Amino acid sequence: AQTVTQSQPEMSVQEAETVTLSCTYDTSESNYYLFWYKQPPSRQMILVIRQEAYKQQNATENRFSVNFQKAAKSFSLKISDSQLGDTAMYFCAFTYQGAQKLVFGQGTRLTINP
Amino acid sequence: DTAVSQTPKYLVTQMGNDKSIKCEQNLGHDTMYWYKQDSKKFLKIMFSYNNKELIINETVPNRFSPKSPDKAHLNLHINSLELGDSAVYFCASSGTPAGRDEQYFGPGTRLTVT
Repeated sequence: AQTVTQSQPEMSVQEAETVTLSCTYDTSESNYYLFWYKQPPSRQMILVIRQEAYKQQNATENRFSVNFQKAAKSFSLKISDSQLGDTAMYFCAFTYQGAQKLVFGQGTRLTINP
Repeated sequence: DTAVSQTPKYLVTQMGNDKSIKCEQNLGHDTMYWYKQDSKKFLKIMFSYNNKELIINETVPNRFSPKSPDKAHLNLHINSLELGDSAVYFCASSGTPAGRDEQYFGPGTRLTVT
């Protein structure tokens, strides 16, 4: 069975700082995909970034980037120049080709302080 | 233009009642999902439908019955509501069964059973 683990229940940083959220996963699949979703207080689930396992290059989206370590089954999210609007729950999620579902980690509550 | 919409957004009801949550997507997607987010924010798949056919039923009690009248709609009917059903229910859709395609989430329905 596939599992996703986020070991940091809560994190807090000052505005403009850089923060890294951790995620590890366990799978025997070879063709899989990893995601980070953001859930602000509005409750809406928003895709932040996506990584295909077959791609060696780490994905980046503006201030958001990942450190994908396939051998270690690690998928961390780095937020640079953090902003107040980044305050949210962040979920790491996993799926594989044909899985028909996302498997989520427990979430990390990130607070950006002014 | 809302991509995935759910109604209602809030639902308060008593134990033993029957209730429905409706979901509609205007993205032309073939695959739709229901996820449950519990009080600890943990998200878990309940059902997955592809082209109106049930693909995944993730050990959900049979008091929960999804219905897909067409590819754009996936409704969730819950019989004999219990206190433990209190949660946020998210509908989602994707262009293909979960894989490389992003899942688009609705705004969620907060169900409170008293």
